[in-house]
Amino acid sequence: GAVVSQHPSWVICKSGTSVKIECRSLDFQATTMFWYRQFPKQSLMLMATSNEGSKATYEQGVEKDKFLINHASLTLSTLTVTSAHPEDSSFYICSASFSPGSHTQYFGPGTRLTVL
Amino acid sequence: GIQVEQSPPDLILQEGANSTLRCNFSDSVNNLQWFHQNPWGQLINLFYIPSGTKQNGRLSATTVATERYSLLYISSSQTTDSGVYFCAADYKLSFGAGTTVTVRA
Repeated sequence: GAVVSQHPSWVICKSGTSVKIECRSLDFQATTMFWYRQFPKQSLMLMATSNEGSKATYEQGVEKDKFLINHASLTLSTLTVTSAHPEDSSFYICSASFSPGSHTQYFGPGTRLTVL
Repeated sequence: GIQVEQSPPDLILQEGANSTLRCNFSDSVNNLQWFHQNPWGQLINLFYIPSGTKQNGRLSATTVATERYSLLYISSSQTTDSGVYFCAADYKLSFGAGTTVTVRA
């Protein structure tokens, strides 16, 4: 149980285009979803936290206009990287938890974004 | 926010060996977790352990909350144990830099 999927698993796009990444909780309702970014050989950095039906809360230094997060249902959150540039190339990972106060996050398999 | 430090950064083991990974955190926490990231990037929850000791097969973990550190023990290591081990603290999961473990056959 507690499976989280991401789509696509990898994407290559041209500079200036927008890319949407989906995160789905397959067998549970996720009140809260998190988005992380991981650069090669580095740790995970939290980008934003989203609760279903609410605006996402972004971490300091993350541009909310560049990384649009939508959490429209209890099983789906999307991250859209707008006007992507090569420096946005990274591994994006989402996670989901059952409730806002839950300590356990279940992680998706990640999406590797390469911007040419 | 919480600062999390892990050591060692890299660990090379012969199959069958035991090892200990350490995680220090800068403040008291009510959430401390260990994860394994496999070579394909998937993060697997290993332990939720804000205090005390837990065991799961060949893995065990101990957190001494009053001294702000946690240890992950790998016994009788196998090649499938290779990957990066992260500890993360606090509700928002501040991640350490990870320990890259390579187990050689």
